[in-house]
Amino acid sequence: QVQLQESGPGLVRPSETLSLTCPVSGYSISRGYYWGWMRQPPGKGLEWIGSIYHGGSNYYTPSLKSRVTISVDTSKNQFSLKLSSVTAADTAVYYCARSTYYGSTPYFDLWGQGNLVTVSS
Amino acid sequence: QSVLTQPPSVSGAPGQRVTISCTGSSSNIGAGYDVHWYQHFPGTAPKLLIYGNNNRPSGVPDRFSGSKSGTSASLAITGLQAEDEADYYCQSFDSSLSGVFGGGTKLTVL
Repeated sequence: QVQLQESGPGLVRPSETLSLTCPVSGYSISRGYYWGWMRQPPGKGLEWIGSIYHGGSNYYTPSLKSRVTISVDTSKNQFSLKLSSVTAADTAVYYCARSTYYGSTPYFDLWGQGNLVTVSS
Repeated sequence: QSVLTQPPSVSGAPGQRVTISCTGSSSNIGAGYDVHWYQHFPGTAPKLLIYGNNNRPSGVPDRFSGSKSGTSASLAITGLQAEDEADYYCQSFDSSLSGVFGGGTKLTVL
């Protein structure tokens, strides 16, 4: 059974870097699939952050591209999110997920439970 | 403001049929990208409900169905049940090379 679970601090100070990891159990990341991150600010809808293939190619949403880095560590079978220069607007529940494609359109078939990250001093 | 537009809320009585619309543009749904739907109970992991416009993953009841036409898509739920009360999100891809979501629709079972 494949499982994903976000891990990281629940509180980040403004202007610092938010860092989350997503260990994957029950499946080897190096076998394939894309792996992605989404977030949901309080009271709002889901927002796509970005996705990465185990070979390194990635997609980032334009509004966050200058601040986001998504990487894969096949030795630890996990992938990570770094979001720099955070502000209160980055407060959200962050989700990691496994992504595959239908035609040319990616979708997420397996999600983590979510990790609430609050940006506050 | 989400790229895809959904009604904030819909409601229906048990046993009824409800539909949730998802409107995009010529740079996403209208560009030929497909639409996927997720069911989300707050505090839990979102669940894939429909992929590729009208395909149900294993385990999803056939009460749930999807369709796509032009720059829009729809999710239909027939035989509404109390357990269907949740938030529903549509998702597609954009020519900016990013995934896009709808703002979400809260389904209330009366």
